[in-house]
Amino acid sequence: EVQLVQSGAEVKKPGDSLRISCKTSGYTFTNFWISWVRQMPGKGLEWMGRIDPSDSYTNNSPSFQGHVTISADRSITTAYLQWSSLGASDTAMYFCGRHSRGSGRIDSWGQGTLVIVSS
Amino acid sequence: DVRMTQSPSSLSASVGDRVTITCRASHGITNSLAWYQQKPGKAPNLLLYGASRLESGVPSRFSGSGSGTDFTLTISSLQPEDFATYYCQQYYTTLYTFGQGTKLEIK
Repeated sequence: EVQLVQSGAEVKKPGDSLRISCKTSGYTFTNFWISWVRQMPGKGLEWMGRIDPSDSYTNNSPSFQGHVTISADRSITTAYLQWSSLGASDTAMYFCGRHSRGSGRIDSWGQGTLVIVSS
Repeated sequence: DVRMTQSPSSLSASVGDRVTITCRASHGITNSLAWYQQKPGKAPNLLLYGASRLESGVPSRFSGSGSGTDFTLTISSLQPEDFATYYCQQYYTTLYTFGQGTKLEIK
């Protein structure tokens, strides 16, 4: 069974750094891209970027380029989303998702990680 | 970027109704379109891909059509569990984009 299990909710202050994780199991990690999707409170889905775990190639939405870093650790089949300096506007739910092989559609999702940034 | 515009933004309907949601792309995307359902507090769930292909396990009352710039999601006979928010997503370009969502509410 394909599973994506995300790390728990975080409460941070503006300027803090943060890394959240997406632990995968049930499939060959390096064969499927992983994307991160943001959902701000009461709003829609926004695609942030994706990673190919086989070579760690990433491509990000221009809206998020330079503000977040997507990475992966093949040894523990885990993908990450990282900020070096959080702002209040980063308050949101973040989902990781696994793409169907060679496709842009996302067929499996993590449960979401809530990030709250508040002074 | 390819912008995806859904209509309507919200929709009220009754159990048993047939409903249609529209998604329009700012540029042609062939049939590289997926539809997702999201319930409050939950992750999205893939319903259809390739504009019209039903994901495994999804009830056949869901169907999709379209190609190029105009697409539709149809639910043939609404069930209580179908009241949710629906999103389209294009994957024609590797800068994926979602529509803004359509909230389907009980009338």
